[in-house]
Amino acid sequence: ETGVTQTPRHLVMGMTNKKSLKCEQHLGHNAMYWYKQSAKKPLELMFVYNFKEQTENNSVPSRFSPECPNSSHLFLHLHTLQPEDSALYLCASSLLGPAGYNEQFFGPGTRLTVL
Amino acid sequence: KNEVEQSPQNLTAQEGEFITINCSYSVGISALHWLQQHPGGGIVSLFMLSSGKKKHGRLIATINIQEKHSSLHITASHPRDSAVYICAVLNTGNQFYFGTGTSLTVIP
Repeated sequence: ETGVTQTPRHLVMGMTNKKSLKCEQHLGHNAMYWYKQSAKKPLELMFVYNFKEQTENNSVPSRFSPECPNSSHLFLHLHTLQPEDSALYLCASSLLGPAGYNEQFFGPGTRLTVL
Repeated sequence: KNEVEQSPQNLTAQEGEFITINCSYSVGISALHWLQQHPGGGIVSLFMLSSGKKKHGRLIATINIQEKHSSLHITASHPRDSAVYICAVLNTGNQFYFGTGTSLTVIP
């Protein structure tokens, strides 16, 4: 148990569907992250939130919409996705201190398949 | 070219062997992370280091800042060490870069 939970663990959706991924951390961290992991590619950092404020958006298409209502919860809203968006979506959290980001703790991921 | 390069991409070892995985990077960094990903997707952070060497059980991580290189060593490898090992760096601008991973299989 890493202290970071993600739901659902598996999701199959059509291109016209709207769905949301949820991440929750119980570690008292103040930074949360969304990553995408596609086969044969490096981990891709999608979004970073510090103290609920988005600080990074690495050229992610607008069909992915993050939401961070508080420092413990992070959502990724999905709308009109494409089959190439099928991937493992990982959430992570860490502490952000004066020296920068500390060690990240990862959730188990959501395996997304877009039909 | 990826900012973080790992080698080898795939590695098969016999149980008990000493294993080394290498990571080279091209950006100035504030920290380097070694991550372990088991089949099924879960990722565990093994080490975060910015200088020298760290040891945890049978795992040792070293970093040479001048040479922009880090190594992850596994002593007395075991089949449960079979996983993908990912090197990630945090640059001085607080941006993350990830290697493509090294897939390790330890055979009994």
